[in-house]
Amino acid sequence: EIVLTQSPATLSLSPGERATLSCRASQSVSIYLAWYQQKPGQAPRLLISDASNRATGIPARFSGGGSGTDFTLTISSLEPEDFAVYHCQQRYRWPLTFGGGTVVDIK
Amino acid sequence: EVQLVESGGGLVQPGGSLRLSCAASGFTFSLYEFSWVRQAPGKGLEWLSHIKYCGSDIYYADSVKGRFTISRDNARNSVYLQMSSLRAEDSAIYYCARTQDSAYDYWGRGTLVTVSS
Repeated sequence: EIVLTQSPATLSLSPGERATLSCRASQSVSIYLAWYQQKPGQAPRLLISDASNRATGIPARFSGGGSGTDFTLTISSLEPEDFAVYHCQQRYRWPLTFGGGTVVDIK
Repeated sequence: EVQLVESGGGLVQPGGSLRLSCAASGFTFSLYEFSWVRQAPGKGLEWLSHIKYCGSDIYYADSVKGRFTISRDNARNSVYLQMSSLRAEDSAIYYCARTQDSAYDYWGRGTLVTVSS
């Protein structure tokens, strides 16, 4: 099973700051990594697919990068609605797996 | 409008069974694959099972293999998760999510399963 490790567990930032979230895979997942945002009481929402493709309707301040085992989700300037939990997920190999999540909260 | 609506959750005793349903609308159901993903209270997401277009290819997480069965009915635009031998650690919100050979672009709101005596 491919293990995804997200860091940091919690990121405390202020609105307007840049957020950089990491997802590291225990083995290569090529580019087959996605990022989701989840707010309390809501289902996850797709942000990025295949490492760097922004999903429909996702603002340009969200960007994804990386390949192989190291991936990054960057939020260029945090808006109030961006404070949430972020999950990464690989679809390269069964069983599909998710990372443990990164909480982005207000400093 | 794309909608995925889960149902069938509830309180069940350890060792019991439950069948979850996911009703889809707003898109051509047969062109998509589906997964069930759960989230225990305060925890991360856990992928459970996946079914491809015609139901011929199915995958399970080790944690549920042999206890859970995924199926789909393309005529009813629905996906199901039959759960048996339920344990306390199966308590979670269960989500249905769709994909078309990519990431999960739509998710339902989830249905809560509580396993307790």
